[in-house]
Amino acid sequence: EDKVVQSPLSLVVHEGDTVTLNCSYEVTNFRSLLWYKQEKKAPTFLFMLTSSGIEKKSGRLSSILDKKELFSILNITATQTGDSAIYLCAVVNRGGSQGNLIFGKGTKLSVKP
Amino acid sequence: GAGVSQSPSNKVTEKGKDVELRCDPISGHTALYWYRQRLGQGLEFLIYFQGNSAPDKSGLPSDRFSAERTGESVSTLTIQRTQQEDSAVYLCASSIAWQETQYFGPGTRLLVL
Repeated sequence: EDKVVQSPLSLVVHEGDTVTLNCSYEVTNFRSLLWYKQEKKAPTFLFMLTSSGIEKKSGRLSSILDKKELFSILNITATQTGDSAIYLCAVVNRGGSQGNLIFGKGTKLSVKP
Repeated sequence: GAGVSQSPSNKVTEKGKDVELRCDPISGHTALYWYRQRLGQGLEFLIYFQGNSAPDKSGLPSDRFSAERTGESVSTLTIQRTQQEDSAVYLCASSIAWQETQYFGPGTRLLVL
């Protein structure tokens, strides 16, 4: 069964800290891995990763994929209270059903002032 | 439009009533997806539409749930004879094509009393 596992499930840090969120997956026909940030209701797209070892970067956020070890990490440096959210990892399953996007349960990040 | 829109943003209904939720995808996006997110839980796939192909209904939890889409535009998700367990945020997403990045709407928060 295809699955995506995120860790930790929740994390509390202080402003200025650096955090690393983990996502591992077991998917039959991997196509790409996506990271989303969910505040309130709707997830917003952060990164799409398809190739191993190539870091994607956007401001204080960065992410990398390891297709050999089947995981990805999302790094946030110099965290701010506005980074508090649930971070979702999802894997696109080539040709699969279930809408082809398999989500992890998310990591709830809380950044304290 | 600029993004995926959904309506209503919030809906309170009584147990046993029918509800209809609407999603307007990003213009030009051929694929449209519906998800459900219960409080404190991950995203649960419900159904997806790809162009004129038959929809993938494999995630619909019961025959009380149905969805329609007119061409490559608006979609409606209908829940008949609502139950309290249907209370959740219903999220719609669209992508330019199958297996491409999904962009989410703001969601509809449904509360069944």
